[in-house]
Amino acid sequence: AQSVTQLDSQVPVFEEAPVELRCNYSSSVSVYLFWYVQYPNQGLQLLLKYLSGSTLVESINGFEAEFNKSQTSFHLRKPSVHISDTAEYFCAVYRQGGKLIFGQGTELSVKP
Amino acid sequence: DTGVSQNPRHKITKRGQNVTFRCDPISEHNRLYWYRQTLGQGPEFLTYFQNEAQLEKSRLLSDRFSAERPKGSFSTLEIQRTEQGDSAMYLCASSSQPDTEAFFGQGTRLTVV
Repeated sequence: AQSVTQLDSQVPVFEEAPVELRCNYSSSVSVYLFWYVQYPNQGLQLLLKYLSGSTLVESINGFEAEFNKSQTSFHLRKPSVHISDTAEYFCAVYRQGGKLIFGQGTELSVKP
Repeated sequence: DTGVSQNPRHKITKRGQNVTFRCDPISEHNRLYWYRQTLGQGPEFLTYFQNEAQLEKSRLLSDRFSAERPKGSFSTLEIQRTEQGDSAMYLCASSSQPDTEAFFGQGTRLTVV
């Protein structure tokens, strides 16, 4: 069975500092991996995805994630965060049929 | 197209009442998913449709829950005899292919009092 573990429930960080949100998955088959962001009282927005090819994927707003098959990880990173990055971040793995298995979420709080 | 639309955005109901939520997917998407998200947790899969066919239901979907997608367009999720434990955000998503991006609606927040 596939599962996703987000190792940190809350990550406080100061503005312009780097951040890493950790995600580990378990799967016995090839995986598609996703990071979604959720702002308060909103639905989920796709941040970035890994389907195949380059193991380093990037989003348009400066986030990146690296697929590491040997460590079964898909950590999300940003070299310099902004106040507007404050949100809940969810790592997810695609499961057959198209449904997503989500981690528990990491609340990123960026302080001035 | 304005994306996935869910109505209502908020619903407060008394325990024991029935509620129905609606989801309008992106028009060319043939796959539609329902998820439930409780406070402090990630979304949990409930069920999904390919066109009008309901292909899978989670064990979370008790007999009090029913979902339909007539004509393969919009979908409804009904909860009968609501319980306080049903209080959650109900999210709908749609996609054009099973391995492509799923677009989420803004959700319906249900509060059972």
